[in-house]
Amino acid sequence: AQSVTQLDSHVSVSEGTPVLLRCNYSSSYSPSLFWYVQHPNKGLQLLLKYTSAATLVKGINGFEAEFKKSETSFHLTKPSAHMSDAAEYFCVVLTGFQKLVFGTGTRLLVSP
Amino acid sequence: NAGVTQTPKFRILKIGQSMTLQCTQDMNHNYMYWYRQDPGMGLKLIYYSVGAGITDKGEVPNGYNVSRSTTEDFPLRLELAAPSQTSVYFCASRTGRPTSNQPQHFGDGTRLSIL
Repeated sequence: AQSVTQLDSHVSVSEGTPVLLRCNYSSSYSPSLFWYVQHPNKGLQLLLKYTSAATLVKGINGFEAEFKKSETSFHLTKPSAHMSDAAEYFCVVLTGFQKLVFGTGTRLLVSP
Repeated sequence: NAGVTQTPKFRILKIGQSMTLQCTQDMNHNYMYWYRQDPGMGLKLIYYSVGAGITDKGEVPNGYNVSRSTTEDFPLRLELAAPSQTSVYFCASRTGRPTSNQPQHFGDGTRLSIL
């Protein structure tokens, strides 16, 4: 079965420093992977998606993620955190039945 | 373009009551989904639909029912509310063929408490 594991439940950074949110996936074939962001009391917004076209995927708001098959990872990064980046982030895999399987989420805290 | 709209945004129910969570989308998407999100957890799929008249169970369907009479609407019904159904409910939709990896678009959620 396909699944994703988010390695950190909380990540704290200072404004202006790099962000790294870690995600490992489990899949028997080349997966479709997504990162979604959820701001408080809001729905989920797509940040980026990986669909095997390129291993480095650029998303919105300066985020990007790199698909590494050898490490079964799809970590989300941003060079410089902004206060508005504080939110919950979900790594998600699309299963063969066209259903999304969500990780448990990583809460990003950004301090001034 | 409103996207995916969920109503109500908040609701408190008594145990045993019933209610319908509404979801409508104006993007002509054929696929629609209902999820629940419990504290500290990712989203769990309750039901989904691949088009009008077609629905199927997800991971956690017990205690819920759905219908899909039109492309736009996908209501979720709770017949006998239980405290375990206290959660935040999200509706989502997407376009594309069955094997497409098009992303899902989410509504803002319905926060439901059962007391």
